[in-house]
Amino acid sequence: EVQLMESGGGLVQPGGSLRLSCAASGFTFSSNWMGWVRQAPGKGLEWVANIKHDGSEKYFVDSVKGRFTISRDNARNSLYLQMNSLRAEDTAVYFCARDLSTDNWSHCFDYWGQGALVTVSS
Amino acid sequence: DIQMTQSPSSLSASVGDTVTITCRASQDISSWLAWYQQKPEKAPKSLIYFASTLQSGVPSRFSGSGSGTDFTLTITGLQPEDFATYYCQQYKNYPRTFGGGTKVEIK
Repeated sequence: EVQLMESGGGLVQPGGSLRLSCAASGFTFSSNWMGWVRQAPGKGLEWVANIKHDGSEKYFVDSVKGRFTISRDNARNSLYLQMNSLRAEDTAVYFCARDLSTDNWSHCFDYWGQGALVTVSS
Repeated sequence: DIQMTQSPSSLSASVGDTVTITCRASQDISSWLAWYQQKPEKAPKSLIYFASTLQSGVPSRFSGSGSGTDFTLTITGLQPEDFATYYCQQYKNYPRTFGGGTKVEIK
């Protein structure tokens, strides 16, 4: 059974940093693209970032470029989102998600974690 | 960026009804479209990819169609567990973009 479990959310002041982790199990983690999607309170879904199975390609939504970094440790079956220079508008539930693609092009997500809440406030 | 526009933003329906949700892309995305279902306080669940392919385990009352710029999600014979918010997403280009969502409520 595919399982994704986020951790690391919490309250942070504007300008601060936070690192989210996603522990994966139930599949060969090193085979799939992975990504992060967020959802602000009461709002819709917003794609944040994707990373290729070997970490060689990374893509970000413009609003987080230069502030957020996505990475993975295939030996630890873990995905990360390092968030720096956080703003109030980054407040959201952040979902880790598995891309159904195991080839050179990412597709869409087929499994999602339960989400981690990040609140940016003074 | 490719804009995804869903309609309606909400609808009321009864158990047993057939419901159709529309998603329009601002440019041709071929069949690179997915549909997700989200219930309150829960993670999204994948329903359909490549516009019309059901994810494993998704009931056959869900179906998707379309290509290019216009897509539909149809639920034939609405069940109580189907009341939720539905999102489309294009994955032809980066940034990946979602529609604004369609909330399906009980009439």
